[in-house]
Parts: sequence; C-alpha cells; structure tokens
Amino acid sequence: GQNIDQPTEMTATEGAIVQINCTYQTSGFNGLFWYQQHAGEAPTFLSYNVLDGLEEKGRFSSFLSRSKGYSYLLLKELQMKDSASYLCACSRGSQGNLIFGKGTKLSVKP
Amino acid sequence: DTEVTQTPKHLVMGMTNKKSLKCEQHMGHRAMYWYKQKAKKPPELMFVYSYEKLSINESVPSRFSPECPNSSLLNLHLHALQPEDSALYLCASSQDYAGGGPLHFGNGTRLTVT
Repeated sequence: GQNIDQPTEMTATEGAIVQINCTYQTSGFNGLFWYQQHAGEAPTFLSYNVLDGLEEKGRFSSFLSRSKGYSYLLLKELQMKDSASYLCACSRGSQGNLIFGKGTKLSVKP
Repeated sequence: DTEVTQTPKHLVMGMTNKKSLKCEQHMGHRAMYWYKQKAKKPPELMFVYSYEKLSINESVPSRFSPECPNSSLLNLHLHALQPEDSALYLCASSQDYAGGGPLHFGNGTRLTVT
C-alpha cells in the first residue's frame, strides 16, 4: 500500500519563509515530486528529489530523507502569488505515474 | 505557457452525448497520461500510454475510452457520462514511463455533465 501525508492548510506572511512537510509510505519508492497548483489551473512541476539531500531552485528548495520517508518544500521570500496548493507526489519502481498527496493549501497574507 | 495542449478548455455535455477530449505534446515524450481531479482533491490517475500502447487502466468505467493515435496525441472519448463525472481532466506527458522523470501537465478540460 501507499500513504502520503501533508498538512491540509498553512498560512504565512509575505516576505517570510514557510516549510511544507510531506511524509510517505510507498513500496518501491523511486522519487519525490513537488507541484504547485493555483485554483482552477493545472499542476506545475517545482522540484524532484531522488537522492537524500537538498535541491535548491531559486526561492524554492526541496529536501528528501529516504530512510525517514520524509520530504519538505521550503519557500523563501514569500510573495502573494505563492498562494496556491502544493502537492507532494511519489513515483514507484519502474512506474512513471505519480501518486499524489492531498495537497497543502498555502495562503500568503500581507 | 504549458507545452502540453488540451482542448477544449471547457465542455458541457448531457448524459446522452458523445464527446472527445484532446491532448497534444511536441516534446518527444513517449509516455502520456490522463488524470481526473475533483474540486479540492488531488489528481487521480485514469490511464497511462507508453510508446502508444495502453499500459495502465485504473479500473476506469468503460464510458471513458482512451485513444493514442500517435506519439504526440492522446484522446479521451466520452459517452453516456454521469453528473458525478464532472471534474477537471488533466493530460500529462513524461519523457518515458520508466524513466522516473517529472510529468508535465496540460491546463486541463473542465467538464460539466448535466
């Protein structure tokens, strides 16, 4: 079986830093993806972790610990446009399709 | 702009209608996917095509019929749908199915069944 958990909602202030956590239990785990989805729009790929450690892409960073089944997405210098849902997703073995968590709705306030 | 193009953007259909959703990508990707997303829920996998062959059907009702005419195109034929099938239908592609790389999503078709 598989289970992906992330907080349902988070609120943060413009200019601040926010960390969105994701824990997973997935047989044959291959990689961990983060997507951003604005209301009514398609998910947009943010980051991809296969090995343990931190991947940095501008204001966004993602961390993975395979032994702990844990990942986080770190957003720095928050902007109002960062208000969106952030989806954690896992791929398994040789299967390319992604299994998504329920998403974390982030609200950025002035 | 997304490199995966879906048409139409919006579709309203009755329960007796037949319609098709279309998806196109020109990134040379060999895996293509259909996902369904209900409001405030994550995307759920429906079908996967790898090298133009159906690889996965997640027990989707037969009123949904996928088709992959060539490596760039993916269709979803709809017939005798139910109101509960109303959702955002997302097409995605990836370089290849076993490669483990990211999926690139289209902007989706918002389907309403009346």
